[in-house]
Amino acid sequence: DAMVIQNPRYQVTQFGKPVTLSCSQTLNHNVMYWYQQKSSQAPKLLFHYYDKDFNNEADTPDNFQSRRPNTSFCFLDIRSPGLGDAAMYLCATSSSGTSGGAGELFFGEGSRLTVL
Amino acid sequence: AQTVTQSQPEMSVQEAETVTLSCTYDTSESDYYLFWYKQPPSRQMILVIRQEAYKQQNATENRFSVNFQKAAKSFSLKISDSQLGDAAMYFCAYRGAGNNRKLIWGLGTSLAVNP
Repeated sequence: DAMVIQNPRYQVTQFGKPVTLSCSQTLNHNVMYWYQQKSSQAPKLLFHYYDKDFNNEADTPDNFQSRRPNTSFCFLDIRSPGLGDAAMYLCATSSSGTSGGAGELFFGEGSRLTVL
Repeated sequence: AQTVTQSQPEMSVQEAETVTLSCTYDTSESDYYLFWYKQPPSRQMILVIRQEAYKQQNATENRFSVNFQKAAKSFSLKISDSQLGDAAMYFCAYRGAGNNRKLIWGLGTSLAVNP
C-alpha cells in the first residue's frame, strides 16, 4: 500500500544534542510537510516543500531545518533541541493543489521526540 | 486571513447513537476545500471526509456526513451509529483553492464514545 513512513517512531535525545527525523513516501506526491504537534493541540506547520521549493513558516525557529534530497524523502533536523521542542512531529504529503483537486494531506504515524 | 473555529473542545456520545461536531470558518474566498481529520490516541491522523465549496451536495462517507452551509460558513460533521473506534480527536481544516497548499486548522474536538 502506498503510504507515508516516519522514522524513528520514538526518539529520545538530550538537551542540545542534534536529532534527525526522516519521512519517506510512496505516494509520489510533490508536496511534503513537516508539522509539530503538542499534546491535544492542532498541528503547527513548520515548513513544506513544493517539489524542491522550500517554504518556511515565518515563526518556525532557526533551530529547525529540513532537507528533501528527492521526491520520496524528507528530513527534519533539530540542531539544538530544547525542552520546548518535545512534541510529536508529523510528516504529511499531498498532490499539488494547482492542478485541481482538494489536495488533502496524507500523514505518517509521527515521530515522538522526548528531550531530557 | 482565514480562520477555523471548533467551539466544542470535548464531546461524548453513547455507542450506536449520533453525534454532530461543529465547525465554522471565516474566509473571503469563494473557492476552497474543507476537511475533517480524525486522530485516534497515539495513532495516525487520517482524512474522514472532504467537501469542495463549489459543490452544493453534502459529502458522505459511510457513517460520516457533513452539513455544509456555505452562506453561514458552517461545516459540521455528523457521525451516525457511533462506534468505540470513533473515539478520537477530530480536526476541521480549511484550504483555499489554487496555489494555496497550506491547511488552516481548528483547535480540535475530543470525542469520547461511551459503551
